[in-house]
Amino acid sequence: AQRVTQPEKLLSVFKGAPVELKCNYSYSGSPELFWYVQYSRQRLQLLLRHISRESIKGFTADLNKGETSFHLKKPFAQEEDSAMYYCALKLLVGGSTLGRLYFGRGTQLTVWP
Amino acid sequence: DGGITQSPKYLFRKEGQNVTLSCEQNLNHDAMYWYRQDPGQGLRLIYYSQIVNDFQKGDIAEGYSVSREKKESFPLTVTSAQKNPTAFYLCASSERGNTIYFGEGSWLTVV
Repeated sequence: AQRVTQPEKLLSVFKGAPVELKCNYSYSGSPELFWYVQYSRQRLQLLLRHISRESIKGFTADLNKGETSFHLKKPFAQEEDSAMYYCALKLLVGGSTLGRLYFGRGTQLTVWP
Repeated sequence: DGGITQSPKYLFRKEGQNVTLSCEQNLNHDAMYWYRQDPGQGLRLIYYSQIVNDFQKGDIAEGYSVSREKKESFPLTVTSAQKNPTAFYLCASSERGNTIYFGEGSWLTVV
């Protein structure tokens, strides 16, 4: 069963427009959620995590437990935001403190000039 | 330069051959992971290791094998039993419970 759903495979906006990348998760406990980003020809890197409640590169994401969502938002998109974005849910393995990530299928964001 | 190093970056394999992808980290992380990335499928976990000399199967372990003889190294062997091995492979590591960091990846193509 898909634990993390990103309904949009592709998303295009114009520079300066608001952007929202959707993410829904399936987990009955207390989730730990992340957004990872992969720019062209670069490694996958952490963008932000919900427990930090921070804004990175103008992006924010709020955990909504009622809607089981963790949508990524930015009020004014920039061309350099064009990348592949993955939402991920971290679950602990067995009784250990090891966390493994379940990834969504990713959303390719293109910001047009 | 600290981080996770994967090699080779590009690899071609003939059908029926085994191939090993290298992953080394100098972050002193206990946990290491191998993911497979396919277009439209996201990342899927192949194997993970919590500690030296221990590893566990992930969601798509069939046709793959790993070893963890040293803390800094977690090589992945793609065997001839893997039916569809052409993919992008990502190695990752983390300190227990903390952020997972990724390598740059290795492209494997079966010819």
